Amino acid sequence: QKEVEQNSGPLSVPEGAIASLNCTYSDRGSQSFFWYRQYSGKSPELIMFIYSNGDKEDGRFTAQLNKASQYVSLLIRDSQPSDSATYLCAVTEVYGGSQGNLIFGKGTKLSVKP
Amino acid sequence: SAVISQKPSRDICQRGTSLTIQCQVDSQVTMMFWYRQQPGQSLTLIATANQGSEATYESGFVIDKFPISRPNLTFSTLTVSNLSPEDSSIYLCSVEFVHQRGKLFFGSGTQLSVL
Repeated sequence: QKEVEQNSGPLSVPEGAIASLNCTYSDRGSQSFFWYRQYSGKSPELIMFIYSNGDKEDGRFTAQLNKASQYVSLLIRDSQPSDSATYLCAVTEVYGGSQGNLIFGKGTKLSVKP
Repeated sequence: SAVISQKPSRDICQRGTSLTIQCQVDSQVTMMFWYRQQPGQSLTLIATANQGSEATYESGFVIDKFPISRPNLTFSTLTVSNLSPEDSSIYLCSVEFVHQRGKLFFGSGTQLSVL
């Protein structure tokens, strides 16, 4: 059974620090990787996606992918209290195509303390 | 940016009744899906809503319990039938937009509580 594992947290970091969120996946055939942010009582919001090994940066967010280790991470620099949310990792075999078969982790709850 | 409208946002229903959830998108989409998020759990795909034909259900989900319609490209409904407390969950519509292929975006969700 294909699985995506995340530490449920909560992960607590002080404001201004780097938050590091980690995710491992079981299916070696996985091709596309996504990070969603979900505020309490809200729906998931796509914040990052990555297809290739290495780093991808977008503002304060950096996604890192290591397919050999089946590991994907999300770094949040200069963490703000508004970053406090649950972060969901999602993985699919499909490269660049329709994403209905996303496998989601249970999410890591991040708390940024002022 | 494109809007995915989902309603109702929440409902409290009696055991044995049904709830129909609507999802309306204001932009062209390729695919529409329905997910469930149970308390403390990850998102689970219920089915792919196919335009003009029967939905494609994932293992563990059946049409009699979760009938889905998609009469056109931008509208779909999910009905949760014969409700039991175990159906209490968040139900989410998600879409892939024509101009953002390969990425899933979610509606605002429906919080269902069954008494």
